[in-house]
Amino acid sequence: KAGVTQTPRYLIKTRGQQVTLSCSPISGHRSVSWYQQTPGQGLQFLFEYFSETQRNKGNFPGRFSGRQFSNSRSEMNVSTLELGDSALYLCASTRLQASNTGELFFGEGSRLTVL
Amino acid sequence: AQKITQTQPGMFVQEKEAVTLDCTYDTSDQSYGLFWYKQPSSGEMIFLIYQGSYDEQNATEGRYSLNFQKARKSANLVISASQLGDSAMYFCAMRERLSGTYKYIFGTGTRLKVLA
Repeated sequence: KAGVTQTPRYLIKTRGQQVTLSCSPISGHRSVSWYQQTPGQGLQFLFEYFSETQRNKGNFPGRFSGRQFSNSRSEMNVSTLELGDSALYLCASTRLQASNTGELFFGEGSRLTVL
Repeated sequence: AQKITQTQPGMFVQEKEAVTLDCTYDTSDQSYGLFWYKQPSSGEMIFLIYQGSYDEQNATEGRYSLNFQKARKSANLVISASQLGDSAMYFCAMRERLSGTYKYIFGTGTRLKVLA
């Protein structure tokens, strides 16, 4: 079955602009989470959505927002971009049930460069 | 405080030898899960192995095994018979309960280089 799909894979923006990233989870997965990865920082949790509701949020400013649609696809938006927002943004989906381990399935990421 | 600690920023191993990547964790929960992921240069995170906190036996998946020492709160990844394709970043992660849902926390990773 198809994996997690993220678009676009690469993008370049300038400071002050805004960006929208898209994520299509694995079919049947209702939980979608977003992570920011920068060199030396590992993965920093942004937020998690389940059935169109944000369940968890990380420690990021309000410029970072997201949403989830009824088909479980998710988008995240970053407004007023700063140089420090340059990162790999990873989306992950999971179907956590008692009968499985609940591992996260990741997309290939969207690499954002802010100039 | 770091909940997942990977103390080795980089590791080298000779091809065909075994290597251990260290991971310690901190949680007060009784029920939690531990994961290892591999991230090649392409960027995608690939799930390798899982250990539940109640699992009494160490998890194994092919050449990967997890050395789980609950009392020491460590979950080291052992890769046997290293291959050149094992060169990548490796992340340890923990899933714990948070207000009726789950939260995943990642370490800062270990970059493994397999030498021919």
